[in-house]
Amino acid sequence: GDSVTQMEGPVTLSEEAFLTINCTYTATGYPSLFWYVQYPGEGLQLLLKATKADDKGSNKGFEATYRKETTSFHLEKGSVQVSDSAVYFCALRSSTLGRLYFGRGTQLTVWP
Amino acid sequence: GAVVSQHPSWVICKSGTSVKIECRSLDFQATTMFWYRQFPKQSLMLMATSNEGSKATYEQGVEKDKFLINHASLTLSTLTVTSAHPEDSSFYICSARDFSGTYNEQFFGPGTRLTVL
Repeated sequence: GDSVTQMEGPVTLSEEAFLTINCTYTATGYPSLFWYVQYPGEGLQLLLKATKADDKGSNKGFEATYRKETTSFHLEKGSVQVSDSAVYFCALRSSTLGRLYFGRGTQLTVWP
Repeated sequence: GAVVSQHPSWVICKSGTSVKIECRSLDFQATTMFWYRQFPKQSLMLMATSNEGSKATYEQGVEKDKFLINHASLTLSTLTVTSAHPEDSSFYICSARDFSGTYNEQFFGPGTRLTVL
């Protein structure tokens, strides 16, 4: 079945460091891929998405490219800030069923 | 983007009582709503999917008699945890999607923290 495997955390970085959170997926058909962010005590917010192969989603300095050949959707940011501290979830939406499948989440902590 | 609200944001109840959580789509009509449960440091587990005016579809392993879901209107869904026990303590998150309108996307509520004593 469809699934998402996400790099386990926690990830701890200093401010302005480079961030990569790995995400790979298994799916039939052509899923859409998402990154969601959850700040402490809050629900999920959509960070970025890509709906087809080679699409690059970007928002707030974060980027992820839909790589069909490697079934990956790694999240990157060139220079993280303290305010980026949160839990990041990779997810896919099955093209057939429409439901979201989430990875386990990666806790990111950025120190000043 | 669209806004989904949840009420209450947190609730503490005694074991054996029932608790109702409301989920509202504030500026769009949600043809489909989803209820998730999130355990500490774990991912979201989909509990059920509900379409307005019809019975909810529960995921395998989720007790439909314990977690009652009602999606009576296009802007409101409720989750009632019946005869709650300490093991039901969790963070419950709803999500709403408008498949046919402006927002062909899924939006999440801020979550409800349930603690059963």
